[in-house]
Amino acid sequence: IAGITQAPTSQILAAGRRMTLRCTQDMRHNAMYWYRQDLGLGLRLIHYSNTAGTTGKGEVPDGYSVSRANTDDFPLTLASAVPSQTSVYFCASSASGGDVNTEAFFGQGTRLTVV
Amino acid sequence: GQNIDQPTEMTATEGAIVQINCTYQTSGFNGLFWYQQHAGEAPTFLSYNVLDGLEEKGRFSSFLSRSKGYSYLLLKELQMKDSASYLCAVMDSNYQLIWGAGTKLIIKP
Repeated sequence: IAGITQAPTSQILAAGRRMTLRCTQDMRHNAMYWYRQDLGLGLRLIHYSNTAGTTGKGEVPDGYSVSRANTDDFPLTLASAVPSQTSVYFCASSASGGDVNTEAFFGQGTRLTVV
Repeated sequence: GQNIDQPTEMTATEGAIVQINCTYQTSGFNGLFWYQQHAGEAPTFLSYNVLDGLEEKGRFSSFLSRSKGYSYLLLKELQMKDSASYLCAVMDSNYQLIWGAGTKLIIKP
């Protein structure tokens, strides 16, 4: 059982380039999330999706976009990367979102460096 | 604004007991979670509290007081593998998780 998988695990990206971080889960979870984690700060929500076909903005959405065409996949795109987007990105999923308190399961993370 | 506070770093001795505190101010409350995160790895779920009181799970226990906006995670019989960061997160009225910055726990022999 894979759970939730992110790709790539790490990436060095030139500023101004476009980049898509991939996230796939096989748990049939309705809700999926993208967080960034920076030293000294808590996990910050970028975008979320409570169910396939819907997405919402989190705390720090600027410069990022997401899509949720199906239950399993939730890619995160940086349209034009900037150095401040250097971070560790975690994708997560939970059985329900928006109305039920359930634990979140995390992918292994993508370490992105924008130079 | 919404805020989760927890100590940045704590040190404890192998075999001892340590209590990691978390205070919160959020718009609404739908439960409090504790996660463990080893360096370079993903967070993993430890506990969930939505009612006041103590939840015990093996060597780990979590306590909640909603009236005080306060929780703690209690780790007993510390082992070296417990060296990790411990993240406190509160689910707000919109069912979104608000995360603390985490407490780095260092275990010494």
